[in-house]
Amino acid sequence: QVQLLESGPRLVKPSETLSLTCSVSGGSISSKYWAWIRQPPGKGLEWIGYIYYSGSANYNPSLESRVTMSVDTSKNQFSLKLSSVTAADTAVYYCARGPLHIATPGTWWFDPWRQGTLVTVSS
Amino acid sequence: QSALTQPASVSGSPGQSITISCTGTSSDVGGFNYVSWYQQHPGKAPKLMISDVNNRPAGVSNRFSGSKSGNTASLTISGLQAEDEAEYYCSSYRRSNTLVVFGGGTKVTVL
Repeated sequence: QVQLLESGPRLVKPSETLSLTCSVSGGSISSKYWAWIRQPPGKGLEWIGYIYYSGSANYNPSLESRVTMSVDTSKNQFSLKLSSVTAADTAVYYCARGPLHIATPGTWWFDPWRQGTLVTVSS
Repeated sequence: QSALTQPASVSGSPGQSITISCTGTSSDVGGFNYVSWYQQHPGKAPKLMISDVNNRPAGVSNRFSGSKSGNTASLTISGLQAEDEAEYYCSSYRRSNTLVVFGGGTKVTVL
């Protein structure tokens, strides 16, 4: 049973870079896709991007200029960096597996999701 | 403005059935069987309830079912229980550079 654990600062200053890491346990990060999704307080879900363990990534066009995702297979971790943050980037950030699944081709879903980290952008 | 349209709220009495709709376009919901549904209780992470339109993951109650007609997908909860009170989100693959879209969420209230 794959489990995810997020880590990273909960408070980021405006114009700085938000950095989060998701550690994978109970399974290998290899041959899988991994995603970041966020949810502003009281609002809906927004897809940020997803990355294959090899490093190939796809980002939400609305965030693409500021987003970088990476994978460290030696640590079984994947990471998110979001630059030039503003108050609008304040949200709960979730890491999840998916949406593509090599083991079950032709499927598209996110599971599991980590509990989520509230990151506040404020000076 | 969310990419997929869901009703803001749906309510029902215990034991009843309710249906939540999720309307998109031929570039997402209507064009592919890649619709998934997530349940989110307050302060918790979303939980996958239905994948690929109508597949129920192991451990999810068979009271939850999914379907699709044209550009609209639906999640039906039968035998409504108090524990079903939560926010529900649909999501779909989109054939564009956006790739992943979500609905705005539907608050389910058990009366």
